[in-house]
Amino acid sequence: DTAVSQTPKYLVTQMGNDKSIKCEQNLGHDTMYWYKQDSKKFLKIMFSYNNKELIINETVPNRFSPKSPDKAHLNLHINSLELGDSAVYFCASSHPPSDRDYSETQYFGPGTRLLVL
Amino acid sequence: AQSVTQPDIHITVSEGASLELRCNYSYGATPYLFWYVQSPGQGLQLLLKYFSGDTLVQGIKGFEAEFKRSQSSFNLRKPSVHWSDAAEYFCAVVPRLIAGGYNKLIFGAGTRLAVHP
Repeated sequence: DTAVSQTPKYLVTQMGNDKSIKCEQNLGHDTMYWYKQDSKKFLKIMFSYNNKELIINETVPNRFSPKSPDKAHLNLHINSLELGDSAVYFCASSHPPSDRDYSETQYFGPGTRLLVL
Repeated sequence: AQSVTQPDIHITVSEGASLELRCNYSYGATPYLFWYVQSPGQGLQLLLKYFSGDTLVQGIKGFEAEFKRSQSSFNLRKPSVHWSDAAEYFCAVVPRLIAGGYNKLIFGAGTRLAVHP
């Protein structure tokens, strides 16, 4: 009954490789997110998709390419991995943002710990 | 500049003692306010949130937070800490939505809580 799941949990790879991280949610949400947590635990949003459409794209190198094959999945592909990409990547999901006077709660996955050697 | 500040990087308390974790924000309009907890090696779990109304918000695990507009603060409290509360605590905001706005969580740097027996 996992709500937001990510695979793999751990990923160790060499510089220059290409890798993908997968995220799936079974909460029926339309909106999904990728966040990056660096070695100092600082969390920052990278991307957000709403109903398979990209709605947030922060200043992330274009080596990072999100793909949303359907509303329940948001994958993150990283080309030409660099040492600085080592981090924990969190996927999250929520109902879509609206103009009502509240913010939709985001539910987070367990994270994917990426180590680039 | 718009920001979320958690002034305390580390806090250590004794089991059974009370706890207060500080959070200040700097936004023109009061944002939506959240507290998340991250246990070691785990994802983020929502403790509580404030959108409007009663300024004292009750959350899970015995936590509460008080919104003070005059101080731009949203401090997290717990009257009696348990050893299992040792974790990283993140204050986060979503700036008030404008038409077509996006549900982007902006995190503070986190406060690491250690609990002594």
